[in-house]
Amino acid sequence: EMQLVESGGAVVQPGGSLRLSCAGSGVTLEDYTMHWVRQVPGKGLEWVSLSSWDGGVTDYADSVKGRFTISRDNRKNTLYLQMNSLKTEETALYFCAKARVSAAGMLLDFWGQGTLVTVSS
Amino acid sequence: DIVMTQSPDSLAVSLGERATINCKSSQNLLYSSNNKNYLAWYQKHPGQPPKLLLYWASTRESGVPDRFSGSGSGTDFTLTINSLQAEDVAVYYCQQYYDTPLTFGGGTKVEIK
Repeated sequence: EMQLVESGGAVVQPGGSLRLSCAGSGVTLEDYTMHWVRQVPGKGLEWVSLSSWDGGVTDYADSVKGRFTISRDNRKNTLYLQMNSLKTEETALYFCAKARVSAAGMLLDFWGQGTLVTVSS
Repeated sequence: DIVMTQSPDSLAVSLGERATINCKSSQNLLYSSNNKNYLAWYQKHPGQPPKLLLYWASTRESGVPDRFSGSGSGTDFTLTINSLQAEDVAVYYCQQYYDTPLTFGGGTKVEIK
């Protein structure tokens, strides 16, 4: 059974840093472009970042560019999101999602359960 | 950025009746080289991750009941749930995957009347 398991969510102060992880089981993440998407409690979905299968291509939402870094370790079958200079408005549930190859790596066809990041003093 | 606008924000439908959700994009999502609309629909239950229902605007994901259907092209799209079931109570999102940043509609909450 395919699983994506996010971890690393925590309570952090504004301006702080956090690294999220997304571990795959029953799926080889190296085969896929992977994404991070977040959802502020009670609000909608916001795309955050993507990484191509080898990490050679990455992209970010303007709101996080320069502060967040996506990376992956395919030997560990794990995707990461390093988040720096966190803001209170970035309190959210952070999901990782795999993308379908046939849709140029942009169709999110399977999501993890998410990990909660709370930015608060 | 491509802006996705969903309507209505919420709707209440009787069991067995039809629910219709609209989604409008600020740019054309029809890619001319393959004649495909880069539009997906997701279902999200509370405490659960989004579940892919439809892609290419009208192709059902494997395992999705055929009461869910999608239509539209270009900038205007519709998700229809025929014969609403209790388990369909959820929030539905449209999303464009034509270009980054990937963008989602604001969501439509479907409830039972």
